[in-house]
Amino acid sequence: NAGVTQTPKFQVLKTGQSMTLQCAQDMNHEYMSWYRQDPGMGLRLIHYSVGAGITDQGEVPNGYNVSRSTTEDFPLRLLSAAPSQTSVYFCASSLLASSYNEQFFGPGTRLTVL
Amino acid sequence: KQEVTQIPAALSVPEGENLVLNCSFTDSAIYNLQWFRQDPGKGLTSLLLIQSSQREQTSGRLNASLDKSSGRSTLYIAASQPGDSATYLCATSTGANSKLTFGKGITLSVRP
Repeated sequence: NAGVTQTPKFQVLKTGQSMTLQCAQDMNHEYMSWYRQDPGMGLRLIHYSVGAGITDQGEVPNGYNVSRSTTEDFPLRLLSAAPSQTSVYFCASSLLASSYNEQFFGPGTRLTVL
Repeated sequence: KQEVTQIPAALSVPEGENLVLNCSFTDSAIYNLQWFRQDPGKGLTSLLLIQSSQREQTSGRLNASLDKSSGRSTLYIAASQPGDSATYLCATSTGANSKLTFGKGITLSVRP
């Protein structure tokens, strides 16, 4: 199993550009989520999904869109990038959409918005 | 709203020392608490998961304890090694959406 994979590893955008951060897992996990990590702020939940076709907002959803058309993939879209979205983005997954389950994280995407 | 605190923010110890990393949380109604390790520029690696009904979990030289009533967890690292140098984060799971609330982490440096 590759676990949770994310692409790209690094990305530089200009303000106003759009892009999609990819996340995939091969563990048949039901639950997937996106976090951003900022210095002094810790990790914060952006969006999450409890299964294919079901998504919901987390703590800091503004400026981001998600969809979940398959169990394996959970892409994060930035529609119009802003410097405030400069951050490290982590995708996570767990077997079931239950708060009792262990969560596994991907290697992260380091995004800089100029 | 759950708040998770990890103090101190950084810790430096000599190799071989046994050490304890602390994590405190304000809302005791947690489902579980998870300890992660993060190496510089890398992702989070899950170390230990303690369910709310458990008191501790062990994996190799690591032992994590949980005291829900006092809102505290500790990660004990036995016989520390330079390879243990990393940032250690704790996170609690509360609510039905599996959201994790993270502490800001403790950056550990083990000196040879």
